[in-house]
Amino acid sequence: KAGVTQTPRYLIKTRGQQVTLSCSPISGHRSVSWYQQTPGQGLQFLFEYFSETQRNKGNFPGRFSGRQFSNSRSEMNVSTLELGDSALYLCASSGQGARDTQYFGPGTRLTVL
Amino acid sequence: KNEVEQSPQNLTAQEGEFITINCSYSVGISALHWLQQHPGGGIVSLFMLSSGKKKHGRLIATINIQEKHSSLHITASHPRDSAVYICAARVGNEKLTFGTGTRLTIIP
Repeated sequence: KAGVTQTPRYLIKTRGQQVTLSCSPISGHRSVSWYQQTPGQGLQFLFEYFSETQRNKGNFPGRFSGRQFSNSRSEMNVSTLELGDSALYLCASSGQGARDTQYFGPGTRLTVL
Repeated sequence: KNEVEQSPQNLTAQEGEFITINCSYSVGISALHWLQQHPGGGIVSLFMLSSGKKKHGRLIATINIQEKHSSLHITASHPRDSAVYICAARVGNEKLTFGTGTRLTIIP
């Protein structure tokens, strides 16, 4: 089975712009979770989608949003980018969410200038 | 105070040594994950456990629900084990809460 893929792998944006990141889960997995990793805060949970519905949400401002399509692919969007949004954004897929083994993608490294 | 605490933050050991990384959590959990992150960012899930002990090769993970504590052990450590090890607890409504990670360096 192909692993979790994320596109793009690297991205450079400027403050105020918006960005969309994409995640394709392992075939058959219905849960996709998104995480932000920064040197200061470590790994933090953003949100989880399961069968096209947002099932859980972390403590992030409304500028961070996501969606999941019927084929389980997921996108996350960050609007009005701030310097502090520079981070590695990881997605992970699983059959049932946090109760299952999470399979992580390689991440998208976002730099905001 | 973080809900999930790891220790030590950094650990350097000689090849062949027995390694222990600890994870404590302050809330009730239903499962605990151990993850490995190599330089470059890729994360691999090592274990998910809710009780007792699991073993995979040279890696062993244990959890004590009553004491709210989990350990990850590496036997006969090897330089390729050098990575950041992260524990993550499934809390409440199933989101994962992460520890700050332990950076392990194994010297040949």
